[in-house]
Amino acid sequence: EDQVTQSPEALRLQEGESSSLNCSYTVSGLRGLFWYRQDPGKGPEFLFTLYSAGEEKEKERLKATLTKKESFLHITAPKPEDSATYLCAVGSGFQKLVFGTGTRLLVSP
Amino acid sequence: ETGVTQTPRHLVMGMTNKKSLKCEQHLGHNAMYWYKQSAKKPLELMFVYNFKEQTENNSVPSRFSPECPNSSHLFLHLHTLQPEDSALYLCASSQDRDRVSQPQHFGDGTRLSIL
Repeated sequence: EDQVTQSPEALRLQEGESSSLNCSYTVSGLRGLFWYRQDPGKGPEFLFTLYSAGEEKEKERLKATLTKKESFLHITAPKPEDSATYLCAVGSGFQKLVFGTGTRLLVSP
Repeated sequence: ETGVTQTPRHLVMGMTNKKSLKCEQHLGHNAMYWYKQSAKKPLELMFVYNFKEQTENNSVPSRFSPECPNSSHLFLHLHTLQPEDSALYLCASSQDRDRVSQPQHFGDGTRLSIL
């Protein structure tokens, strides 16, 4: 069964304190791994797609990486506006997106 | 307007009411989705439409009835809901349901509360 596990469930950082979020997955035929950001009261906002092990994508202070079993979302020198829930999802060979439960990130000034 | 738009943003209804949720996408996509998001649970896929045809119903109770008149519009008709149906209902679209390597784009959802 396709499965996505995100850790930690919640993360509190000081402004400027870099860290990483983890997304572990098991999937039948990976068609893509997706990262989304979700602010309170809003829908998920698409950030990145990764397709193969070793691939990396960057956007401002965010960098996503992919291995055969997991993906990391690295946040470098975060700012309070980076506070959000970050969702990971995998596209499987069954033509479905399977989502994790997300990591709630809070960055304090 | 751009992206995926959902109305209403908030809805409070009694268990015997009938209401509808609306979704419109301006991305030129051919696939549209309904998801349910509850606290501390992964997004639950409810329905999928591809080129206006329903391709998936994820064992959703019949009190939820989807309608897709064209590739840009999606509705979710609600009737006789239960308190456990209170959640955030998200609409999404993508290029094509079978091209799962392409990202889905989401609206901001309808927060539904059942009294």
